[in-house]
Amino acid sequence: SYVLTQPPSVSVAPGKPAMITCGGNNIGSKSVHWYQQKPGQAPVLVIYYDDERPSGIPERFSGSSSGNTATLTISRVEAGDEADYYCQVWDSSSDHWVFGGGTKLTVL
Amino acid sequence: QEQLVESGGGVVQPGRSLRLSCAASGFTFSRYALHWVRQAPGKGLEWVARISYDGSKKYYTDSVRGRFTISRDDSKEMMYVQMSSLRPEDTAIYYCARGGSLGAAAVPLDPWGQGTLVTVSS
Repeated sequence: SYVLTQPPSVSVAPGKPAMITCGGNNIGSKSVHWYQQKPGQAPVLVIYYDDERPSGIPERFSGSSSGNTATLTISRVEAGDEADYYCQVWDSSSDHWVFGGGTKLTVL
Repeated sequence: QEQLVESGGGVVQPGRSLRLSCAASGFTFSRYALHWVRQAPGKGLEWVARISYDGSKKYYTDSVRGRFTISRDDSKEMMYVQMSSLRPEDTAIYYCARGGSLGAAAVPLDPWGQGTLVTVSS
């Protein structure tokens, strides 16, 4: 089955950029979606189709994907960005929808 | 606005059954696939099941296949998951989420409901 690998945690100072990676075999050939989940809340879509941003999501959030790695970038981190972030793809070979293990973003 | 609301969670003994419901509003229900995703306490998101827009195709993660059954009632704009032979490891918050329109599969899950907690314990 297809596996997505994320770092368990990323820490960054306010105003600095944060990059969260998502590794998977030839992930660049798949559509990658990213979700933000704050404590006690449901996940919220923040990036879809690798680099598209839903309405209402700040321009500070961006995404990219190539080769075996997809990346979510938050250009200038704010305290309110502290959350868990998950990448997700559809694995066509198994018809399974796969999530990465999640990355906890801590704002120092 | 587009909204999903789950219900039916609770405490259930191992080996027993439980049915969760997901009520949709604010979009053309019959055009969209729907998913169940769960999150065990302190853990990450785990995809559970998906039903196609017309109910003809159902997919399950390996750990629930044969025990869980996903279904939908377009006349009521409701989705369900019947969970049987429940195990302690099924303890989680269960979220419903909207998938792609018509046959689209590689689309984001959006929106999500607020979740309903299922606890499997004796």
